[in-house]
Amino acid sequence: AQSVTQPDIHITVSEGASLELRCNYSYGATPYLFWYVQSPGQGLQLLLKYFSGDTLVQGIKGFEAEFKRSQSSFNLRKPSVHWSDAAEYFCAVGAGSQGNLIFGKGTKLSVKP
Amino acid sequence: DAGVIQSPRHEVTEMGQEVTLRCKPISGHNSLFWYRQTMMRGLELLIYFNNNVPIDDSGMPEDRFSAKMPNASFSTLKIQPSEPRDSAVYFCASSPITGPPALHFGNGTRLTVT
Repeated sequence: AQSVTQPDIHITVSEGASLELRCNYSYGATPYLFWYVQSPGQGLQLLLKYFSGDTLVQGIKGFEAEFKRSQSSFNLRKPSVHWSDAAEYFCAVGAGSQGNLIFGKGTKLSVKP
Repeated sequence: DAGVIQSPRHEVTEMGQEVTLRCKPISGHNSLFWYRQTMMRGLELLIYFNNNVPIDDSGMPEDRFSAKMPNASFSTLKIQPSEPRDSAVYFCASSPITGPPALHFGNGTRLTVT
């Protein structure tokens, strides 16, 4: 069965520091992979997606993620975090032409001044 | 592009009452999804439609839940009768039906059942 694991429930980083949020997936075929961000009281906004090709994908707000098939991972990174990045981040996996996505439990990011 | 529109944003109701949540997908998107978000279970897919036809409703928790999509621009999720454990944020999302998935989410309806 498809599954997504985000091992870190809550991460705190200092403003200006680098960030890496972990995501591991379980899926039998080549997955479609996504990162979404959710601010309090808001819906989920797509940060970036991987479908095929270059395994390093760039997204909005300065985020990037790298697909590593051998590790079944799709970690999200940002070189310098801003206070406005404080939010909850969700990794998701999908397959085929069906749009239903399986989401991880999320990682809440706090940013220290 | 107005995005996915959900109403109401907040709903407070008493146990046993009927609740109807509404969703207007992005024009041209042929797939529509209903998700539920809780602290304990995270984001769960309840049901999704392709071209107004329900494809997978295996996530609907029980018969008290029903969803309809009478046309391409409108969907409802109904809970009758509601129970306190139904309290959650309910999200609607839409996506083009062709190509890799690209879900666009609404801002959700926060449901509180007392």
